[in-house]
Parts: sequence; structure tokens; C-alpha cells
Amino acid sequence: QSAPTQPASVSGSPGQSITISCTGTSSDVGGYKYVSWYQQYPGKAPKLIIYEVSIRPSGVSNRFSGSKSGNTASLTISGLQAEDGADYYCSSYTRSSTLVFGGGTKLTVL
Amino acid sequence: EVQLVESGGGLVQPGGSLRLSCAASGFTFSDHDMHWVRQAPGKALEWVSAIGTTGDTYYPVSVKGRFTISRDNAKNSLYLQMNSLRAGDTAVYFCASGTGTPIDWGQGTLVTVSS
Repeated sequence: QSAPTQPASVSGSPGQSITISCTGTSSDVGGYKYVSWYQQYPGKAPKLIIYEVSIRPSGVSNRFSGSKSGNTASLTISGLQAEDGADYYCSSYTRSSTLVFGGGTKLTVL
Repeated sequence: EVQLVESGGGLVQPGGSLRLSCAASGFTFSDHDMHWVRQAPGKALEWVSAIGTTGDTYYPVSVKGRFTISRDNAKNSLYLQMNSLRAGDTAVYFCASGTGTPIDWGQGTLVTVSS
């Protein structure tokens, strides 16, 4: 099972919007609604910010939104803030009844 | 408040074994799927295993046959038995709860495989 592909890094200025892509296959991202996104700061545990493609857990800012088209899921962060600088990972359920994480994206707020 | 506390990490020689534990509190443990996810130093997250509420287990190819996940609902505890350990298994191992996807996470325990 290959990991979905994410850009290694993205950057944006405060107030701007950025989008992180997560490209898989029809056997994972494209085939199921169980796509999630996580935010992780260095040395800390990941935090779930989106599940089932586009649902935000309670307490997560509405500046975070998720979507999916075909085999690619996307995380959009609007109104960038300095605190959004972190690593972001997508995950997906797979046809093999397993989970797979993307390679991760480092977001830098300029 | 959900709390997940991992323990059992440490230094082990290649070919050795280690058993990780995860103590859960703040939720009805028996009602939730549980996961182990690892992260090698400077690398991405990697899903390691999951166990459902009825005890069904799931593994990626990379650890199948070497790792065994189990749970004790009476003790609100999750376990990961790791055998035939390799240098590539060196990572922080996180315990997580959640059906369908890991939702709440522990802080992790470091496993180092080295001679």
C-alpha cells in the first residue's frame, strides 16, 4: 500500500489561504469517505482537524475545511495565522481494511 | 477528558521483542476501536495496527506477522507485542482511539532498535 502523495512543503502569508493536496488511488482516497487530516507540532502528538473528508471536530476552527475530488483530497486553511505553522498529514481508509497516512506537508507561515 | 498514556518503550537489540501498553481513561474503552501509529525520527506518521471492539485486528504488510495488537477491556488497556524488531522499527509509538480514524492520541513512547 503506497502512501498518498502530499507536497513536502507549502507556505503563505498571514491572512492568505492555502491548500494542501493528498493524492491517492481509487483503492484509498478516491474510494472511501474516510479521509482525515491531522495537524502536528514538533515533538507533539497529532491532532485531528478534519474527518470523513470535510467534517470538523468540535473545537476546531472553521478556518480549516476539507474536500475531495476523485482520488485527491484537499485541506484548505483560510485566514492564515502564525499558529497554523505545523506539519499536516492526510489519512485514508483503504480497500485492504487498513489505514494509510500521506507523507506529510510542512506549512510555513511567512 | 480522554487520556491515553503509553508505556513500555526503550532500547532493544535487533531481533528482540518489546511489549507496549496504553492505559486509557475518560471514555468507555470497550466501545471504541483502538490504533497504534508510529513516527520514525523526522519522518511521516505510519499506521501500525488497529483492533476493533469485537477483537478483530488489522495490520499493514510492514508489520504483519511480527506485531500483535490486543486489548483488555476490563483493564482499559491496549497492548502491542513487537517481535523480530529491526532498526527500521525505531520510532515514537502513539496509541490512539477512534472508530474509522484515530481521533484522540497519547503522547507516545520511544522505541529504539539498536545494537
